[in-house]
Amino acid sequence: ILNVEQSPQSLHVQEGDSTNFTCSFPSSNFYALHWYRWETAKSPEALFVMTLNGDEKKKGRISATLNTKEGYSYLYIKGSQPEDSATYLCAMYSGGGADGLTFGKGTHLIIQP
Amino acid sequence: NAGVMQNPRHLVRRRGQEARLRCSPMKGHSHVYWYRQLPEEGLKFMVYLQKENIIDESGMPKERFSAEFPKEGPSILRIQQVVRGDSAAYFCASSQDGLSNQPQHFGDGTRLSIL
Repeated sequence: ILNVEQSPQSLHVQEGDSTNFTCSFPSSNFYALHWYRWETAKSPEALFVMTLNGDEKKKGRISATLNTKEGYSYLYIKGSQPEDSATYLCAMYSGGGADGLTFGKGTHLIIQP
Repeated sequence: NAGVMQNPRHLVRRRGQEARLRCSPMKGHSHVYWYRQLPEEGLKFMVYLQKENIIDESGMPKERFSAEFPKEGPSILRIQQVVRGDSAAYFCASSQDGLSNQPQHFGDGTRLSIL
């Protein structure tokens, strides 16, 4: 059974501050790591898909890094804005496992004005 | 709206009834995934289908649950003889080619409540 862990569970950040959170996953049979942003009452929205060790992806003020050897990924948000408030999910795709994504429980981010 | 469409958004059933959840994938996508979110839990994979075929149903409960994705029409997740423990949010996602490096596009989900 795959175990994808995210920390912290929730996070309060002042508007304008930068923040980051972690996704840990088993490094064996790794195929891909996905990050999603999930706003309340909406559907999860894909942010990044990363496959290679050392991968770094960026989308505006949000970026992510990947270390497949040690099994972790970081998501960074620079200069947080109220619209960044959401739950951020990471999910692993594993060869030899189920053909769907294995999700963490998410990091719930609240940006305080 | 060319996104993933799920209906109904909310469904209420009494114990013992059947629940049918529908999912139309994004235009051009032929790969569909169903996930379930139980209260206080994360999203859990249930089943992966490609047109007319079930590719992986390893996450689906063995009894009462079934899924299909016919040649024409939406994918259907069917729960027979529902019980209180089936109350959850059910999400459908689609991708173009079913590859691990492709993002999955999610619908808004169906919230199923069992009385």
